[in-house]
This record gives sequence, C-alpha cells and structure tokens, in this order.
Amino acid sequence: AQSVAQPEDQVNVAEGNPLTVKCTYSVSGNPYLFWYVQYPNRGLQFLLKYITGDNLVKGSYGFEAEFNKSQTSFHLKKPSALVSDSALYFCAVRDPGNTGKLIFGQGTTLQVKP
Amino acid sequence: DVKVTQSSRYLVKRTGEKVFLECVQDMDHENMFWYRQDPGLGLRLIYFSYDVKMKEKGDIPEGYSVSREKKERFSLILESASTNQTSMYLCASSFLEGTQYFGPGTRLLVL
Repeated sequence: AQSVAQPEDQVNVAEGNPLTVKCTYSVSGNPYLFWYVQYPNRGLQFLLKYITGDNLVKGSYGFEAEFNKSQTSFHLKKPSALVSDSALYFCAVRDPGNTGKLIFGQGTTLQVKP
Repeated sequence: DVKVTQSSRYLVKRTGEKVFLECVQDMDHENMFWYRQDPGLGLRLIYFSYDVKMKEKGDIPEGYSVSREKKERFSLILESASTNQTSMYLCASSFLEGTQYFGPGTRLLVL
C-alpha cells in the first residue's frame, strides 16, 4: 500500500540554525513528491515538488528538499531557520492510480525559537 | 496566482441541520477535493471529483455527499449535521499532475 511517514511529530530548532523535517514514502513506480506548509487556521500552501530530474529541489521561502531514491526519502531542509517558519508541515506523494490524489503524512510541527 | 475560495471561514450549525460548504477554483482544474482535518488525525479525504458530475468516495465519505455541476465549483453537503462532524474542512483543486492548491478552510462547529 502507498504511504507517507513523517517520523517526528515536532521538530525544535533555534533561529539561524539549519532545519530538517523528515519524510519517507512507500509507493509503486516513480514517485511524485510534495511538501506543504500550514499556518494556524489557514489552508495548506504548496512549497515544492519533485517529479523528475535533479534530486535537490528548491521551493518557496528558501526551502529545499532532497529526493533520495535508495532511502525512499524526501526530507525538507532550510539552511537558516526563521521564527516565522514555525508552522505545520506536510509531506505528500501522488497516488500512482493516476487520479491526482495525494497521500499525506501526518504532519510535523516545526517550532523555531528565537 | 491560483485561487481557491471557500464560502465561509467559520460556521456554527445545530445538530440535524443540512449544511452546505462551497468551494470555487479559478484555474480550470479537472480535480477537486474535500478533506477534513482533525488534531492527531492529519488530513482525511472525504470525496473527490475528477470531472463535472463525476465523484469518487475518499477515505471517510459516511455522512457526506458532494455535488459538482460546474467545473469550477465543488460543494460538500452534510445531510444531517452531527457533533462528530465538527472539524476544519479544506477544499483543494489540481490538474492530474497532482499539485493541489488549497482554500483557506472552513471551521465548522456543530452544536
């Protein structure tokens, strides 16, 4: 079965430090992978995606993600965290049934402390 | 910019009422989705639609129905609202490629 795992419920980092939010996936075929961010009482905002090509994908707000096929991972990274990055982050993989459905992870809360 | 709008940000209804949540997108997307989001449960797909008048059940369709009469509009209907349907409801739309764009959400409280 297709699935996405975000092993950490919460990640805490100090402002200015690098951050990583982890995601692993299990899907048949070539994965289409996505990261979204959600601020309190808002909808999800698209950050970046991997479909094919370079394993390092750059997205909005200085975020990037690294696709690792052998480890079936797609970790979200940022070189220098900001307090305003504090939010809920979701990783997702497209369902291979070609319906456009996404399978979401449970979400990771990122807390950046000043 | 893609715009997905939802008819209400906050809604309070009584048990047994019929509730309509509307979603409109302006990107000519084929796909539209309704999710509910609850603490600790993540996002759960209620229904999705891949074309006008076409719909498929998601993971938790019980107690809900949907309507898609026009490509840009996807409605979620709670036939008889119950307290366990108190939740945050999120609408999204996408092309088949998969990038979903979300509305701001409707926080529904059923008393």
